[in-house]
Amino acid sequence: AQKVTQAQTEISVVEKEDVTLDCVYETRDTTYYLFWYKQPPSGELVFLIRRNSFDEQNEISGRYSWNFQKSTSSFNFTITASQVVDSAVYFCALSEAVRGSTLGRLYFGRGTQLTVWP
Amino acid sequence: DTGVSQDPRHKITKRGQNVTFRCDPISEHNRLYWYRQTLGQGPEFLTYFQNEAQLEKSRLLSDRFSAERPKGSFSTLEIQRTEQGDSAMYLCASSLERTSGGSTGELFFGEGSRLTVL
Repeated sequence: AQKVTQAQTEISVVEKEDVTLDCVYETRDTTYYLFWYKQPPSGELVFLIRRNSFDEQNEISGRYSWNFQKSTSSFNFTITASQVVDSAVYFCALSEAVRGSTLGRLYFGRGTQLTVWP
Repeated sequence: DTGVSQDPRHKITKRGQNVTFRCDPISEHNRLYWYRQTLGQGPEFLTYFQNEAQLEKSRLLSDRFSAERPKGSFSTLEIQRTEQGDSAMYLCASSLERTSGGSTGELFFGEGSRLTVL
C-alpha cells in the first residue's frame, strides 16, 4: 500500500533561515510519482513539483530545492533564505502509475505547517 | 477566471439532509478528482474521472456518496443523509492527462466547498 509520512507537524523559523521539510514514502510500485504542494492560508493547493521514480536528479527552482533519494525512500524539500510569504502548509504526495505511465490517485501526507517569522 | 471553480463555497446543513457540490474544471482538462480534507489532515482521495468515466472510487466513498461527470465537463458530488462526520472541505481538482506521456502531473485545485453538518 502507498503511504506518505511527514513527521514534522509544525516548523517555525525566522526569515532568511534555511528550512528542510521531510517526506518519507512507501510503495511497492517500481514506477511512481512524487509531488509537493503548498496550501497557503487562502486554502487553495498549489502544485510545486513532480518527480518520476526513475529520475533521482535533485532539482532547484529559485529558493526551492528537492532531494530525492530512493535508497531511503525520501523526497525532502528545502527552502533557502525563507520569507514570510513561504508560511503555509506543505504537503508531500505519492501517486502510482496506472496503465504504465499515467497518474493514479494521489496519496497525501498530513502536511507540515511552516511559519516564517519576520 | 479560468481556474477550477467549486460551488457552493460553504454549506451548512442539518444531519440527515442531502447536499450536492458542483465542480467546474479547467475546460480542456480530461481528468477530474474529488478529495476530502479535514482539519490538520492531508487531502484524502474520494474518486476520479477521466472524461465521463469514473475510473476509481475510494473505500471512503460510502453508499451515501455519489459522484457524476455526465458530459465529461463539470462534476457533481452528492452526499445523502449527511452525518456529522461528513463535515470537511471537499476539494475538486482537474488535470490534463496524456496517455502518450508528456503530462506534467499537475493537479489544479479549486478553493473547495466547506461542509458543516449540525
